[in-house]
This record gives sequence, structure tokens and C-alpha cells, in this order.
Amino acid sequence: NAGVMQNPRHLVRRRGQEARLRCSPVKGHSHVYWYRQLPEEGLKFMVYLQKENIIDESGMPKERFSAEFPKEGPSILRIQQVVRGDSAAYFCASSPSNRPNYGYTFGSGTRLTVV
Amino acid sequence: KNEVEQSPQNLTAQEGEFITINCSYSVGISALHWLQQHPGGGIVSLFMLSSGKKKHGRLIATINIQEKHSSLHITASHPRDSAVYICAVNTGTASKLTFGTGTRLQVTL
Repeated sequence: NAGVMQNPRHLVRRRGQEARLRCSPVKGHSHVYWYRQLPEEGLKFMVYLQKENIIDESGMPKERFSAEFPKEGPSILRIQQVVRGDSAAYFCASSPSNRPNYGYTFGSGTRLTVV
Repeated sequence: KNEVEQSPQNLTAQEGEFITINCSYSVGISALHWLQQHPGGGIVSLFMLSSGKKKHGRLIATINIQEKHSSLHITASHPRDSAVYICAVNTGTASKLTFGTGTRLQVTL
């Protein structure tokens, strides 16, 4: 039973390009969370999705960032026109429920470097 | 002020020492989590607590709901315990997590 799979592990983009980060949750988990870890900072919530729905996007920057979790396939975090400040580690976590006591499984993260 | 505060920020210990990492929070929570992150690596969930105490191997986690405080203890520490330990909470009934800034632990021989 594979855990949360994130790819790519490392991604280098030039300023102005698009970055697409993928997250395949644990099989049977329909709740996905994206978190960002800026260099030397703690993890911050970005967005919470349930299959085909965005439940909470209060942590997403207003522009250039979008997320989806289609009926089939992985969840995608998309960053358009990347800037240096987007360089960070992006982690995905999945859960079988929106109830905290079900716990979370985290992926290994995607480390985005914008040059 | 952060909703979740951890101390110490950095901790160096010798192999075999007993280690304590503290977490205080200022909001109502439904659950508290301890996570482990190795350098350049992913995040592993160690414990989820809503009350009392849990033990797994050499790791022990406690929580005091009245005092809004949790501790993570490592007995007989080993260099492979070197990692960043992160405290995170579910505030209110929210399913998203709010994180502390982490405690960087280094265990030397």
C-alpha cells in the first residue's frame, strides 16, 4: 500500500515559467491538503481539497496559484509565472476523512527552485 | 504571536540522553500532532493526541489540555533521531493543520 506520492521530487523553473506539482494520495483517501515550507520557516497551510471540490483555499496566494483534485488522477498544484519567492518545499498530505482523529499521511515533498 | 510555539528551537544531545521538546498553543484544538522531518526528506507522523499520553518505542508524547501544552520525549537518544520535530494542531474543528516552527535535534556520538 503506497503512501502519498509526490512528483517531481525536485523541480527547477526559470522566472515566468509554470510549475506543476503532483500529489497522489494514499489509495482510498479522498481528502488532500497542500502545505508550503519556505526556507528556514515553518509549514503553512495552502489549500484543502476533496475529490473535485476545493473546500478551503484560505492559504493560497490570490494570484498565480491554483489547485485541483479531479475525479480521476492526482491532485495538482499549479503555479503560473513563477517568481524567486515561490522557491520552497511543497508538501501534500492525505486523509480518509475530514475528522482530525483519522490522522494524515504526508508525501516526501516537491522542492521547487526558481532561478 | 504564533498560535503554536515550540521550544527549544535547536537542541544538541549526546547519544543516550533523555530529550524533551515542548509545544504550547494558544487556541482551542481538537487534536495535536507530532511530526518528524529528516533533512531534505519527507514528513512522518509520529503521534496524534487529544488527551493523555501515548508511547511508541522510545518516543513518548503527552498533552495537558488545561495548560495548552504538549511534550515529546525521546528516551535513550540515538544519532538516527537527529531530525526536525514539528508540533501541529487542528484548531477548533478544522481539519487543516497549524504548525510550530520546529525543533532541530542533533544527537551526537
